[in-house]
Amino acid sequence: AQTVTQSQPEMSVQEAETVTLSCTYDTSESDYYLFWYKQPPSRQMILVIRQEAYKQQNATENRFSVNFQKAAKSFSLKISDSQLGDAAMYFCASRTGNQFYFGTGTSLTVIP
Amino acid sequence: NAGVTQTPKFRVLKTGQSMTLLCAQDMNHEYMYWYRQDPGMGLRLIHYSVGEGTTAKGEVPDGYNVSRLKKQNFLLGLESAAPSQTSVYFCASRMDLSYNEQFFGPGTRLTVL
Repeated sequence: AQTVTQSQPEMSVQEAETVTLSCTYDTSESDYYLFWYKQPPSRQMILVIRQEAYKQQNATENRFSVNFQKAAKSFSLKISDSQLGDAAMYFCASRTGNQFYFGTGTSLTVIP
Repeated sequence: NAGVTQTPKFRVLKTGQSMTLLCAQDMNHEYMYWYRQDPGMGLRLIHYSVGEGTTAKGEVPDGYNVSRLKKQNFLLGLESAAPSQTSVYFCASRMDLSYNEQFFGPGTRLTVL
């Protein structure tokens, strides 16, 4: 089984500032995929961004970008120009084959 | 297009009772998943299905059974509920092997007294 580790249970950021959420993973597979999900208080899981392990270029989606360090097995999420609506729980996840593995989450607070 | 729906949204059971959670998707997805979410634990995979009539165990399958008799539905059963099964349960679906994105349902909060 894979393990996904998020070492920051809670983070906070000032509105309009930038914050980085950390994630490390452990896998022996060569073919895998990485994800960041957002879970607001509504509980709905929302895909924020995904990265294919075979791609060297870091994925970007508007204000969200990742820093994928394959050798270090690190996959951090950077949120630029933070907005109040970014406040949520963020989960890092990996997929190998048919199964997905999730980290324990980071609760992000955005301070007005 | 409702996406992924879960029934019920909330349920309270007594220890030893049984129940079935229903997940339905209208996107013609091949893959379906059941997760549980506990505080401080993230999401953990219970069972999954790669197509109609198939099921497989995930990370935490004990105490649960599943069935996928129709492609659009994935049922999660608890035969004899225990307080340790108090959790929020999420269903998700995915189009097929080549497609990465999972679409999640809204979750079911289950309390076992």
